[in-house]
Amino acid sequence: DVQLVESGGDLVQPGRSLRLSCEASGFNFGGHPMHWIRQTPGKGLEWVAGIGGTSVSIGYADSVKGRFTISRDNAKNSLYLQMNSLRTEDTALYYCAKELRNSDSPPDSWGQGTLVTVSS
Amino acid sequence: EIVLTQSPATLSLSPGERATLSCRTSQSINRQLAWYQQKPGQAPRLLIYDTSNRATGIPARFSGSGSGTDFTLTISSLEPEDFAVYYCQQRRHWITFGQGTRLEIK
Repeated sequence: DVQLVESGGDLVQPGRSLRLSCEASGFNFGGHPMHWIRQTPGKGLEWVAGIGGTSVSIGYADSVKGRFTISRDNAKNSLYLQMNSLRTEDTALYYCAKELRNSDSPPDSWGQGTLVTVSS
Repeated sequence: EIVLTQSPATLSLSPGERATLSCRTSQSINRQLAWYQQKPGQAPRLLIYDTSNRATGIPARFSGSGSGTDFTLTISSLEPEDFAVYYCQQRRHWITFGQGTRLEIK
């Protein structure tokens, strides 16, 4: 069974940094693009960043471009999100998600999320 | 950025009725549209991908259709467990989501 387990969420002050991790198991991790998607409590879903299986293709939402960095370590079956210059509007539940196929397909498996709260 | 607009925002129906949810995209997305169901406290669940393909384990009462910029999710006969929030999502250029349709019991 596919498992995605996020960690690293915390309460942080505006302007500080945080690194999220996602440990994957149950599938060929390096063969699938991965994404970070966030959800504000009671609100909708917002894609944050995505990365191809070989890390060649990387994309970011405009709202986080220049502040967040997505990366992966296929040898460790792990996905990361380095979040710098955090803002109050970055407060959300952050999901790690795996794509259905090896490219250009929707996420079909999601973790349970890790909560990031940005507040002074 | 490709913008997705879902309608209606809220749909009130009774079990056994047919539900029709709409999603319009700001540009053509080559049928790279998916639908998700989300219940409180849970991660989204993939229902439909590539406009009309049901994901693994999804009941046949869920179906998707559409082309160009207009897409539809249909639930043929609502079961009690179908009342939830539904999101459409495009994968033509990275990912964007619609704002969601809340399907509530009438």
